[in-house]
Amino acid sequence: GQSLEQPSEVTAVEGAIVQINCTYQTSGFYGLSWYQQHDGGAPTFLSYNALDGLEETGRFSSFLSRSDSYGYLLLQELQMKDSASYFCAGRPGNTGKLIFGQGTTLQVKP
Amino acid sequence: NAGVTQTPKFQVLKTGQSMTLQCAQDMNHNSMYWYRQDPGMGLRLIYYSASEGTTDKGEVPNGYNVSRLNKREFSLRLESAAPSQTSVYFCASSEAAYEQYFGPGTRLTVT
Repeated sequence: GQSLEQPSEVTAVEGAIVQINCTYQTSGFYGLSWYQQHDGGAPTFLSYNALDGLEETGRFSSFLSRSDSYGYLLLQELQMKDSASYFCAGRPGNTGKLIFGQGTTLQVKP
Repeated sequence: NAGVTQTPKFQVLKTGQSMTLQCAQDMNHNSMYWYRQDPGMGLRLIYYSASEGTTDKGEVPNGYNVSRLNKREFSLRLESAAPSQTSVYFCASSEAAYEQYFGPGTRLTVT
């Protein structure tokens, strides 16, 4: 089957670092994307890992290990505005579609 | 640029009614997608179109039809709405599947 597993909720304090994990079960999986969604609005693209390793974009980093079927999103110097839902998404095979995880709700506290 | 636009923003239907959700993008993307999102759930792909003139089923296509009218527009039709189709519907477009641009969503309630 093709599914991605994420924790449903994570809580952290302002200024801290938080890691949101994503594990998946699928074959022929092409890369892992991460999206952010505020209050049920339009999801926005954050990052993509095509290959193993770490990708850094400002305060956000994303990691992928294809051999472990595992990835994570790392958010540093947390701000209140980072409170949102975060989704990992994978591309099954060489297709033009994405399968999304169920999302992790991040609550940042003062 | 408006990006991805969707109409309507909100809609209430009675069971058995039909309606079409409209989506348009001005980014000249080849691929377009329709998703539904239920409370506490991720986005589930209904249909997608890799290019003008082509459409493919996603994870949850039953009860829906789509039309890729031209490169800009991709519509989603509910022929006979059911309460199970109460959801938020998002349209998206992309050049690369991993980086999709989403519209603001249509909040649909079927009573």
